[in-house]
Amino acid sequence: KQEVTQIPAALSVPEGENLVLNCSFTDSAIYNLQWFRQDPGKGLTSLLLIQSSQREQTSGRLNASLDKSSGRSTLYIAASQPGDSATYLCAPRTGSQGNLIFGKGTKLSVKP
Amino acid sequence: NAGVTQTPKFRILKIGQSMTLQCTQDMNHNYMYWYRQDPGMGLKLIYYSVGAGITDKGEVPNGYNVSRSTTEDFPLRLELAAPSQTSVYFCASSYSNRGTTDTQYFGPGTRLTVL
Repeated sequence: KQEVTQIPAALSVPEGENLVLNCSFTDSAIYNLQWFRQDPGKGLTSLLLIQSSQREQTSGRLNASLDKSSGRSTLYIAASQPGDSATYLCAPRTGSQGNLIFGKGTKLSVKP
Repeated sequence: NAGVTQTPKFRILKIGQSMTLQCTQDMNHNYMYWYRQDPGMGLKLIYYSVGAGITDKGEVPNGYNVSRSTTEDFPLRLELAAPSQTSVYFCASSYSNRGTTDTQYFGPGTRLTVL
């Protein structure tokens, strides 16, 4: 059974810092992996999707890497801003039905 | 495109009542999903559908039912509500073809409280 762990559970940084969020998963036989952000009381917003054949994906200040064999993904946020404050969720897709397995998330707070 | 829409946004039920959570997507996605999110926990899959007329159970299906009569709609039915069903419910959709699945898009959620 796929299990997803996100470290750290919470992170507080001053504005402008570069930071790394970590995600590990126990079953390396994944189809793809998505990173989401969730604002308090809101739904999930997809940030990046990495297919199993890819090593990384970039979108603006965000860069996600995937090392499928070791069961790890990282989300790199450059030059963090207060608007980046949210909970970040990692979710690999395991299985033909297409559903995602979610970690508990990393709650990020960027202080001005 | 409205994306994935869910109604209602909030609902309070009494124990034993029933209700249907509505979900609609306008992206012509074949796959649709229902997840629940409990405080401090990751999302867990309740039911999913790979196309109209085809549904299957996820990790936590007990106490719920679904149907998929059209591509666009995927309602979730709660029968005999229990306090353990207090949660935030998210509907999601994606397109899948020949084993690949694209980005999964989520609705804004329905916050349900059972008293």
